Amino acid sequence: ETGVTQTPRHLVMGMTNKKSLKCEQHLGHNAMYWYKQSAKKPLELMFVYNFKEQTENNSVPSRFSPECPNSSHLFLHLHTLQPEDSALYLCASSHAGVSGANVLTFGAGSRLTVL
Amino acid sequence: KNEVEQSPQNLTAQEGEFITINCSYSVGISALHWLQQHPGGGIVSLFMLSSGKKKHGRLIATINIQEKHSSLHITASHPRDSAVYICAVSKRRKEETSGSRLTFGEGTQLTVNP
Repeated sequence: ETGVTQTPRHLVMGMTNKKSLKCEQHLGHNAMYWYKQSAKKPLELMFVYNFKEQTENNSVPSRFSPECPNSSHLFLHLHTLQPEDSALYLCASSHAGVSGANVLTFGAGSRLTVL
Repeated sequence: KNEVEQSPQNLTAQEGEFITINCSYSVGISALHWLQQHPGGGIVSLFMLSSGKKKHGRLIATINIQEKHSSLHITASHPRDSAVYICAVSKRRKEETSGSRLTFGEGTQLTVNP
């Protein structure tokens, strides 16, 4: 365990389902991130939250809806996904310093399969 | 062309060999990160560096800012070092930002055989 916990680890859903991914950290970090890792592609940043406020949405389709109720928890709500959304979704956290360069701590990821 | 390029894409070595993985980038950066991803997905941060060299156990990371190049070295490699090694950069931004926004390379799959 790295200190960042993601659930579920595996999720299979149909295109009409609604599901959520959960991320939790108790490292005292104030910034949390969602990344997407598709097969044979580099990790892509999806969303950034600093002190519960969304500071970046990297042109992510609206079928992905993030929620950050506090600095320790981050959700990714999923609805009407497409098969091409099947990927590993990684949550990460870091200190929210202004240098723009902080070490990230990653969760183990949630492997999503959309049928 | 990706802003972060890694080579080689795949590397197979025998236990005990000295290993080098290279990373080149084409943007201004505030820091460069080396990450390790094991099968199953979890990613561990190995190094964050903005100049010079860092060492941790058998791992050494170097960066040359002028040449926009970094290397990750593994001495006395072991089968447990088998993983994907990922280079990522924090791009320098005009505005002050909080947190890290990393741009990733495609990774290098390392296999160390006993």
